[in-house]
Amino acid sequence: DAKTTQPNSMESNEEEPVHLPCNHSTISGTDYIHWYRQLPSQGPEYVIHGLTSNVNNRMASLAIAEDRKSSTLILHRATLRDAAVYYCILRSTNRGSTLGRLYFGRGTQLTVWP
Amino acid sequence: DAGVTQSPTHLIKTRGQQVTLRCSPISGHKSVSWYQQVLGQGPQFIFQYYEKEERGRGNFPDRFSARQFPNYSSELNVNALLLGDSALYLCASSLDHAPGNEQFFGPGTRLTVL
Repeated sequence: DAKTTQPNSMESNEEEPVHLPCNHSTISGTDYIHWYRQLPSQGPEYVIHGLTSNVNNRMASLAIAEDRKSSTLILHRATLRDAAVYYCILRSTNRGSTLGRLYFGRGTQLTVWP
Repeated sequence: DAGVTQSPTHLIKTRGQQVTLRCSPISGHKSVSWYQQVLGQGPQFIFQYYEKEERGRGNFPDRFSARQFPNYSSELNVNALLLGDSALYLCASSLDHAPGNEQFFGPGTRLTVL
């Protein structure tokens, strides 16, 4: 399965935008890019996903590079509640893989300062 | 609507014992996955079940087993517990095992092996 690389940690001030990068240079053409986050003492929570085009939802935006070798999760106005570990995950559509499986790395610990 | 529920919340066992963890998926979800999260690391995939059949298994020893019931709830069993099995065990449910589907995680069961 394709691997992702994320910074170990990032910091932001409250109400400022946050750009969380993810590199996935070995991504295949049919891999979805998913982002999950895990707040302290909770299970992971879905944030957003995309395949080729940029995506927006109520939580965040996902910007995908044209060559798909990297992506950026954008939190438009960080709040204290956004402090969490953010995971960038590739999900394969290859029927030889376990389709429902999520491969978590160590993620990026986001600290939000008031 | 109720989210994914897991029981028990916390559990303390001693080495060599056996443990059963339970998970109830969101109503209408037919796929359940289990993950192990050791402190300081991202969750690691253990099993996926869809329509009561095992659809994927991670790199875990045969001491780990699971099953899914007709109502789509699931149990994870771990035999001959080792100290290294101490972790947060997470259950996730989704509509099916398609890679574009969001997975919803429960709060987890914290297992401590003494």
